[in-house]
Amino acid sequence: EAGVTQSPTHLIKTRGQQATLRCSPISGHTSVYWYQQALGLGLQFLLWYDEGEERNRGNFPPRFSGRQFPNYSSELNVNALELEDSALYLCASSLVTGLYNEQFFGPGTRLTVL
Amino acid sequence: DAKTTQPPSMDCAEGRAANLPCNHSTISGNEYVYWYRQIHSQGPQYIIHGLKNNETNEMASLIITEDRKSSTLILPHATLRDTAVYYCIVTYSGGYQKVTFGIGTKLQVIP
Repeated sequence: EAGVTQSPTHLIKTRGQQATLRCSPISGHTSVYWYQQALGLGLQFLLWYDEGEERNRGNFPPRFSGRQFPNYSSELNVNALELEDSALYLCASSLVTGLYNEQFFGPGTRLTVL
Repeated sequence: DAKTTQPPSMDCAEGRAANLPCNHSTISGNEYVYWYRQIHSQGPQYIIHGLKNNETNEMASLIITEDRKSSTLILPHATLRDTAVYYCIVTYSGGYQKVTFGIGTKLQVIP
């Protein structure tokens, strides 16, 4: 069974640009979570999508947004990039709609903002 | 606004049991305790979870105190591959709660 996949593995952008990160959940999983992990910090919750809807978001500005597609894959968009957006962005998926369940994480996308 | 407190780092000798504590004094009755670990720069991996009874699986054991205000993750025979950051989180299963991981405990297994 294929795990959670993320693309690209690495992404380099300059300040002010936009970044798009993609995530494919495990087959059958309907929930997708996004986290930001800046160097030396823990995982900061960004967004939770379930059944195509945004269900919750963390304490991040509106320039962090995303969506979930009918096939449950997801996209995270970061507009007007700032230097402090440089981080590892992790996507996770889980099985049960509407409930928290164990999360399966992807390998992450390393975003570097210059 | 993490709901858990963990020591930032711990050492454990290879082959010995690693006991990782977690305080969650504000846990509510319907919140579960979950443990994950993150090996350097990889995505976190689920280990175990529990509500109030002790739990054991092939990876670890979870001991939750009777008042549920703290728990301990036990790796019975630590190996070098167990060197990782261990996260303790509490969340209930419904309602799309924000899930906060915090900074976890960096476990270093020493040969």
